[in-house]
Amino acid sequence: EAGVAQSPRYKIIEKRQSVAFWCNPISGHATLYWYQQILGQGPKLLIQFQNNGVVDDSQLPKDRFSAERLKGVDSTLKIQPAKLEDSAVYLCASSLVGGGNTIYFGEGSWLTVV
Amino acid sequence: GDSVTQMEGPVTLSEEAFLTINCTYTATGYPSLFWYVQYPGEGLQLLLKATKADDKGSNKGFEATYRKETTSFHLEKGSVQVSDSAVYFCALTPGTGNQFYFGTGTSLTVIP
Repeated sequence: EAGVAQSPRYKIIEKRQSVAFWCNPISGHATLYWYQQILGQGPKLLIQFQNNGVVDDSQLPKDRFSAERLKGVDSTLKIQPAKLEDSAVYLCASSLVGGGNTIYFGEGSWLTVV
Repeated sequence: GDSVTQMEGPVTLSEEAFLTINCTYTATGYPSLFWYVQYPGEGLQLLLKATKADDKGSNKGFEATYRKETTSFHLEKGSVQVSDSAVYFCALTPGTGNQFYFGTGTSLTVIP
């Protein structure tokens, strides 16, 4: 079974530029998550989708971050304009709907803002 | 709200030593509990899980028991190897819904 796919794996941009990350979840997983993981810290939830609806985006900095999940499958996370403090790993994850299900992560997209 | 508190790191052990990483949780209802592992340069991988009280999750020699009375899910391994060097995250998901709450991670280094 294919896992969660993410791209690009690595990206270096200058501050004030924009960047987009793509995620394809495990087939059949209706719930999709984007997490931000700053070096040395645990994952912080940015946004959670169920199908193509947003369940939780309370920690998404909406002035610069946006995410969409058209057709309830793939998702894109965009940052515009980027700041130095956005340097982090952006982890996409997916799970089945319902309590107690395991969440599966992709390998992450590593962003460095210079 | 629901949360997970994890033992501070970093932890450095010699090969074949016994490992314990403490994790306690706060939750309403009946959460499921997880340990994830993150190797350098990689995403998080599920290590083990337990979905109800007194369940024991195990994988690759690691074990953790869901203790409702002490609200704990401590990770243990009897004899660590150099290849176990990684960051370990405790996590929970409530009994309903799909939210996940992660601890801050504990870095483990095993030296030969």
